[in-house]
Formats: sequence, C-alpha cells, structure tokens
Amino acid sequence: QKEVEQNSGPLSVPEGAIASLNCTYSDRGSQSFFWYRQYSGKSPELIMFIYSNGDKEDGRFTAQLNKASQYVSLLIRDSQPSDSATYLCAVRRNQGGKLIFGQGTELSVKP
Amino acid sequence: ETGVTQTPRHLVMGMTNKKSLKCEQHLGHNAMYWYKQSAKKPLELMFVYNFKEQTENNSVPSRFSPECPNSSHLFLHLHTLQPEDSALYLCASSQVTGNGQETQYFGPGTRLLVL
Repeated sequence: QKEVEQNSGPLSVPEGAIASLNCTYSDRGSQSFFWYRQYSGKSPELIMFIYSNGDKEDGRFTAQLNKASQYVSLLIRDSQPSDSATYLCAVRRNQGGKLIFGQGTELSVKP
Repeated sequence: ETGVTQTPRHLVMGMTNKKSLKCEQHLGHNAMYWYKQSAKKPLELMFVYNFKEQTENNSVPSRFSPECPNSSHLFLHLHTLQPEDSALYLCASSQVTGNGQETQYFGPGTRLLVL
C-alpha cells in the first residue's frame, strides 16, 4: 500500500464546476496535510495546509480532513482553465518528520 | 531575489561528468531539502538539512553528494550519474518550528538530462 495515494487522473471538469481532489494516507499518526499545485514544467507551489479535522476555506479552495477515515480532499469552486495543473497531496507524521507526497492528480478544466 | 532560487535551470551531462546544482533560499529558513521528481512518480525526498546539519539521507546513491555550507545555501554535487538519474531536481526550504506545522517552499528546479 502506498503511503499517500491519489488518483492520477486526468480529472476533467467544465469551467465553473466544482473540482474534487481526493487523497488517502496509510499512517494513522499523520498530523499535517498539505496541498500543492504544480503546473507543467514548473515547481510545486503551496495552496493550503490543514491540521485539524473538518473544513478549511481559502477563497475558492476548501481543504477537508477526516483523520478517522484517513482522508483529505481539496475542493475547487468555480473552476477556471487556469486551475488546470497537477495537484499534489503531502502528509507529515509529526514535528520534524519528512513530507510524504502522493503521485498527484492531473486536473483539466475545460472552457 | 526572493524565495528559493536554483541554478542551473537546465543541465545536460555525460555519465563521466562532474557537475553541481546550487540552491539558495532568501526566506530566513533553517531547513533545506533536495527532492527528485521523475515522470509519473511521486516526489522523492533525497536529503534534509536542519541548521546546516544533515538529518536525513533517504538511501540515496553515493554519486549524489550534498553540501550545506550555511543555512541559506545548499548544493548537490553530481558525479558518474546514470541515464535513470535524469529528472527534475527540486530544492525546498522551511522554517522548522517544532510543532510540525512548518510548510516547505520549493525552488524552480533543475531539469537534468544524463546522456
């Protein structure tokens, strides 16, 4: 079992729709969770982090964490073509621990 | 300059060459990282430096040799690489605070091709 698992996609949504990106992790002791966006040929850039169960909203982005189900998701409302990228989920077990990345989900937003 | 910078951005080298990748962070962070990103594979952590001290070597072959002269600079020295080492090499930095909630910021990467 992979430590951090994401559907590689591509996930295709129409412009204006909600894109839902999912991530599961195997280590129940994981404490910190991050979403990065990576455009083709570019480096990852941090979108959001979440540490507590529940939802965290930042503009069009909402991160959802359910530690009991070992599941973290990213919702993108009103998707735009500029949101087309690969989204990386990353998980850290504890302070000072290393980030474990999933393989990423490719999102394509069609005009 | 701001953020995390890396040079060179692109590198082509033969298997017998020796080259170095450079990373510099302008964020005042105390930790720096090297990652390897190959096509269709997750980011792989290679090395971690906290306060200039190497704290993690993720079973990386000895043909990759890191160097961290101070908390702002990180190098990756390359020698006798293999074609399968061709990848995007990313540097990152973070401010380790002890509560596990620090975030890592990435540089633009060096695209390496080994012939």
